[in-house]
Amino acid sequence: DQQVKQNSPSLSVQEGRISILNCDYTNSMFDYFLWYKKYPAEGPTFLISISSIKDKNEDGRFTVFLNKSAKHLSLHIVPSQPGDSAVYFCAARDNFNKFYFGSGTKLNVKP
Amino acid sequence: DSGVTQTPKHLITATGQRVTLRCSPRSGDLSVYWYQQSLDQGLQFLIQYYNGEERAKGNILERFSAQQFPDLHSELNLSSLELGDSALYFCASSVRGVVAVGEQFFGPGTRLTVL
Repeated sequence: DQQVKQNSPSLSVQEGRISILNCDYTNSMFDYFLWYKKYPAEGPTFLISISSIKDKNEDGRFTVFLNKSAKHLSLHIVPSQPGDSAVYFCAARDNFNKFYFGSGTKLNVKP
Repeated sequence: DSGVTQTPKHLITATGQRVTLRCSPRSGDLSVYWYQQSLDQGLQFLIQYYNGEERAKGNILERFSAQQFPDLHSELNLSSLELGDSALYFCASSVRGVVAVGEQFFGPGTRLTVL
């Protein structure tokens, strides 16, 4: 039973445009949400996080939005750059400090 | 380079065998997490250790076990291996046991192939 879902396995965006990656979750007890980026042959790299008490967190070109009523979060990358091409995982932490990851979305930013 | 090292990088073995995967956390990090990533799947949390003690447990099979040693490195032992255990195994580390900002530093992973 997947508690964190990324329904889009891939996304293609033109350089300079906005990339929006989506994530849905089922467990209302999750208290922290995170996004990780992963390049081939490397481990995931932490990108940005958001607490469940907030609805937005911004860090440079990356913004994460949390809609608790819809149990939905999204990662916006503006402007998108070719170097952003990677697999993006969303993850959530429950109150037992267990982490749940989505299956990932492969982002391709075309020059 | 995250500062987390994992050995070996690749491992090929046969069904029924036992293997040990090793992880060295970043200097100063007390917590180690183990994850399994099967083909086309997200990362599945297996287990967390903090300063030598088990802190959180995910969907770790009974055939799998882990420990964290006094020097803080960790080992994941997989026994009675099955074909379905073929996966990428990641280790991550963090400073604290309960990660307030959620930041874990991941190693490059060990790719296990069971034939």
